[in-house]
Amino acid sequence: NAGVTQTPKFRILKIGQSMTLQCTQDMNHNYMYWYRQDPGMGLKLIYYSVGAGITDKGEVPNGYNVSRSTTEDFPLRLELAAPSQTSVYFCASRRPGTGTDTQYFGPGTRLTVL
Amino acid sequence: QKEVEQDPGPLSVPEGAIVSLNCTYSNSAFQYFMWYRQYSRKGPELLMYTYSSGNKEDGRFTAQVDKSSKYISLFIRDSQPSDSATYLCAMRAETQKLVFGQGTRLTINP
Repeated sequence: NAGVTQTPKFRILKIGQSMTLQCTQDMNHNYMYWYRQDPGMGLKLIYYSVGAGITDKGEVPNGYNVSRSTTEDFPLRLELAAPSQTSVYFCASRRPGTGTDTQYFGPGTRLTVL
Repeated sequence: QKEVEQDPGPLSVPEGAIVSLNCTYSNSAFQYFMWYRQYSRKGPELLMYTYSSGNKEDGRFTAQVDKSSKYISLFIRDSQPSDSATYLCAMRAETQKLVFGQGTRLTINP
């Protein structure tokens, strides 16, 4: 199993541009999450999904959109990129009812907005 | 006041030392407590998981939760250079939303 994969690894955007960060997991997990991590900070939840067709806002959803049409994929869309969105973005997935809260994280996408 | 407070460090100790990492929190509804380890330029990985109060031991690692004081700790015994990483505490209530601490950057010096 590849686990959680994210593309691209790095990206530089200009202010006002848009992009989609891709996230795919092959573990058949129902729950998926998007976090951002600013330098020296913990992770902040942007959006999460408990299954295909169901998404909900996290702590910092403004400026982002998500969709979940399949169990495997959970893309994050940035519209009108702003310098404040410069961060490292992590996608994670979890299978409910496993007795632990293990969230499996992808390797991250480093985004710079100039 | 942040829901979860964690001293960001950095913390630097010699190999073999006992390391203590701590978090405090304000939300009494938190029941699930975790420690994640994050190596440089990698995603976090779950290290320890504890439900409600008490201690849990796994090899050189011990996690403690004191709900009455809203305080959790991670102890690392016989620390190794390979333990050098950022350690993030995380916790949640019955919702699916994890709340993370800032992370403590730990360096173990050979």
